[in-house]
Amino acid sequence: DAKTTQPTSMDCAEGRAANLPCNHSTISGNEYVYWYRQIHSQGPQYIIHGLKNNETNEMASLIITEDRKSSTLILPHATLRDTAVYYCIVRVARTGNQFYFGTGTSLTVIP
Amino acid sequence: DSGVTQTPKHLITATGQRVTLRCSPRSGDLSVYWYQQSLDQGLQFLIQYYNGEERAKGNILERFSAQQFPDLHSELNLSSLELGDSALYFCASSRDLYTGELFFGEGSRLTVL
Repeated sequence: DAKTTQPTSMDCAEGRAANLPCNHSTISGNEYVYWYRQIHSQGPQYIIHGLKNNETNEMASLIITEDRKSSTLILPHATLRDTAVYYCIVRVARTGNQFYFGTGTSLTVIP
Repeated sequence: DSGVTQTPKHLITATGQRVTLRCSPRSGDLSVYWYQQSLDQGLQFLIQYYNGEERAKGNILERFSAQQFPDLHSELNLSSLELGDSALYFCASSRDLYTGELFFGEGSRLTVL
């Protein structure tokens, strides 16, 4: 699976949009981009995933560049409960789900 | 609540001992995964089972073993414990092999003294 690069940490003001970038310049055509988050010592939580098109659900939006070499997770109105480590993962859909988590981005939402 | 149940939540034991961690997946999920999270290594994939069969192995030590039973619950056995085995152990489940949405339990915190 392709390697991802994320900033180590970010801050965001409460109520503002949090934009978390992820670089995956070696992504292959059949690899999906997944985002998970982990709130302090809890189990990771699935957020969203996509292949080529932008995706939106009740938690977040995922914007994937046209060349698919990078993506951005957007939390439209960050709350204090969104403080967590966010993991960007790329993997081929049919490889059996062995997700390999990197170091992620530690997002702190500031009151 | 993800629907994945892990027991025990906390466990303290001594070096050289053996422990068993248990995981009950979400109702209807056939695949179970085990992850280890220690302070210096992040989330490490250990092993995956699907419908009772081992599907994939990650960074699992030979001292560790796992199995998935006919009722789909899974157990992770850790033996000859060392101080470095102290970590959070997470179980996750998914509906099948290919869906990308894993549901994680709250973890079992193992402390080896």
